Amino acid sequence: DAGVIQSPRHEVTEMGQEVTLRCKPISGHDYLFWYRQTMMRGLELLIYFNNNVPIDDSGMPEDRFSAKMPNASFSTLKIQPSEPRDSAVYFCASSAPAGGYTFGSGTRLTVV
Amino acid sequence: AQSVTQLDSQVPVFEEAPVELRCNYSSSVSVYLFWYVQYPNQGLQLLLKYLSGSTLVKGINGFEAEFNKSQTSFHLRKPSVHISDTAEYFCAVSDQSNNDMRFGAGTRLTVKP
Repeated sequence: DAGVIQSPRHEVTEMGQEVTLRCKPISGHDYLFWYRQTMMRGLELLIYFNNNVPIDDSGMPEDRFSAKMPNASFSTLKIQPSEPRDSAVYFCASSAPAGGYTFGSGTRLTVV
Repeated sequence: AQSVTQLDSQVPVFEEAPVELRCNYSSSVSVYLFWYVQYPNQGLQLLLKYLSGSTLVKGINGFEAEFNKSQTSFHLRKPSVHISDTAEYFCAVSDQSNNDMRFGAGTRLTVKP
C-alpha cells in the first residue's frame, strides 16, 4: 500500500485565493481525519469522517473552511478565501477502528 | 472528552544515554494509547500503541512504553538513544468507542553527540 497520499506537498498562494488540499486514504480504512499543525497551536483536529460521513467538524476554524469526502478513496479540504493566518502544515490521516492513525506527508500551505 | 499532557516540551540528552518522555492522560472512559514520532518535514509515524493486555508495549526503533492505569500515565522509554532519534514525539489517546484521537503538545527530543 502506498500509504495516505496528500497533494500538493507545497502550496503558495495569495491572500483571497481559493485553496484545495487533497487526500487519498488507505484502502479499507473507514476513518479519515484532517489536522492542522502550527508552531503556536501544535496539532489541531479540524474534522473527521467515518464511512464518508462527517462526524465532528467542531475544529474547523471558520466558515471559510470546508471539507468533503465524496467517496471512500478521496477527500478535500478547501479554504476560500485564504488568509495569511491559514499558513500551516495540513495533515490527512486514515485509520481502521483501534488501529492507530496513518498520516500522510502533509501539505505545507503558505498564504502571502 | 479525553486529553493528553506531555510534561516536557524539550528533552536534551547525550547519545547512548537512556531517555524517558512523560505522558499523562485524562478520560472518563476506557482508552487506547499511542506514541508517534515526527521527523523534520515529515508526517507522524506510529511508534507503538497500547490497546489491551500487557501493560509494557514494545515499538519500533527500540522504544517501549508502559501503561499505568492508576497513575493515568503512558511514558515512553529507550535505554540508549542515537543521534537519529532526534525528532518530535507525540503522545495520543483515543476513546475506545469512537476512534477520536487527541494529541499532546509534543516533546522535542534532541540527542547530542
